[in-house]
Amino acid sequence: EADIYQTPRYLVIGTGKKITLECSQTMGHDKMYWYQQDPGMELHLIHYSYGVNSTEKGDLSSESTVSRIRTEHFPLTLESARPSHTSQYLCASSADSTYEQYFGPGTRLTVT
Amino acid sequence: GQNIDQPTEMTATEGAIVQINCTYQTSGFNGLFWYQQHAGEAPTFLSYNVLDGLEEKGRFSSFLSRSKGYSYLLLKELQMKDSASYLCAVRAAGNKLTFGGGTRVLVKP
Repeated sequence: EADIYQTPRYLVIGTGKKITLECSQTMGHDKMYWYQQDPGMELHLIHYSYGVNSTEKGDLSSESTVSRIRTEHFPLTLESARPSHTSQYLCASSADSTYEQYFGPGTRLTVT
Repeated sequence: GQNIDQPTEMTATEGAIVQINCTYQTSGFNGLFWYQQHAGEAPTFLSYNVLDGLEEKGRFSSFLSRSKGYSYLLLKELQMKDSASYLCAVRAAGNKLTFGGGTRVLVKP
């Protein structure tokens, strides 16, 4: 079944640690996105990719980085986590032919 | 710049109708989306309007007026499970979406 996956779903980590949030999709979509969302607040685009080896920063400045080495995989990395990074991170993908974005279940990150 | 406004919260009774308005001011317009998001979950797609007019999909309908920078989502025959946040999002250029703050709808028995 075609889907979009994120791991881990929940992560509690100490300040200064390096973390990678995983996102994979099996729909063959070229376009993938990372959003950050605080509870009850709007989604902010932090990174996007229109294909392999293509990544761009989104509308909200973020200290995270992304890579796109394979079509199906779009991991997000924080080199040194801080409490201000505590948030929910949502990954999404879309096809060229339609503009609808499909969202993964999200990773809820807490940095202590 | 991008500016998308929608009410923060609305309350309605089970079986009733609720209309959620969204106004936008964006540099470029290539379509408007509505998503539903239950608390703690990912957004799910409801509708997409690119031309003026009404799109009906079961109990949910979405309307767009590009000249007025205005859309609404109409939820009919409300059910308890419709309690969620409803997100208005504009596709300005490329495939990027800009989201509004969302409208939390509370359905009461």
